[in-house]
Amino acid sequence: DTGVSQNPRHKITKRGQNVTFRCDPISEHNRLYWYRQTLGQGPEFLTYFQNEAQLEKSRLLSDRFSAERPKGSFSTLEIQRTEQGDSAMYLCASSLIANYGYTFGSGTRLTVV
Amino acid sequence: DAKTTQPTSMDCAEGRAANLPCNHSTISGNEYVYWYRQIHSQGPQYIIHGLKNNETNEMASLIITEDRKSSTLILPHATLRDTAVYYCIVRGQETSGSRLTFGEGTQLTVNP
Repeated sequence: DTGVSQNPRHKITKRGQNVTFRCDPISEHNRLYWYRQTLGQGPEFLTYFQNEAQLEKSRLLSDRFSAERPKGSFSTLEIQRTEQGDSAMYLCASSLIANYGYTFGSGTRLTVV
Repeated sequence: DAKTTQPTSMDCAEGRAANLPCNHSTISGNEYVYWYRQIHSQGPQYIIHGLKNNETNEMASLIITEDRKSSTLILPHATLRDTAVYYCIVRGQETSGSRLTFGEGTQLTVNP
């Protein structure tokens, strides 16, 4: 098991374009989380899944953002009509049991130009 | 989840112990204290967590005061690779959708 994998590592897109990121969690982990981190700030919670069910969404997750986790395995985070304010590091994490530590991926850095 | 307060930055000499404090005066009885760190350009890394007893693992020790209003993360022999932002987080068992709420953390710089 190589941990949580995120692709791509970097993405540069023009304002108004749609982008999609992928996260492959640790295989036996049933919880998957998305966070966003801007420069100098700690990660901010966006949403989380237990298996294929999306159980919570932050107010940060505007209607331009959508996340899926089909079949409870990998997850995708799509941003439609990107804005410059969407530029950030998007982090994925997974966990097996709520009270144990999350394992984070290395993130996808999005730059909207 | 209870709010935490950490110093913005700290320095430590290589080979010495690094003691990182965290205040969480509004912590409730069922909330755990978690520590994560984030090395530049990487995702956060879980270090340790505890409820009321002191905890130790291969990375660090966590000392929680008896009243649980503060804690200290101890890196016993800091190395240059321990330079990172360290986050202290308080979280209940199943509250807030199991999310971790990160603050701004403490930038620890280990100097040669």
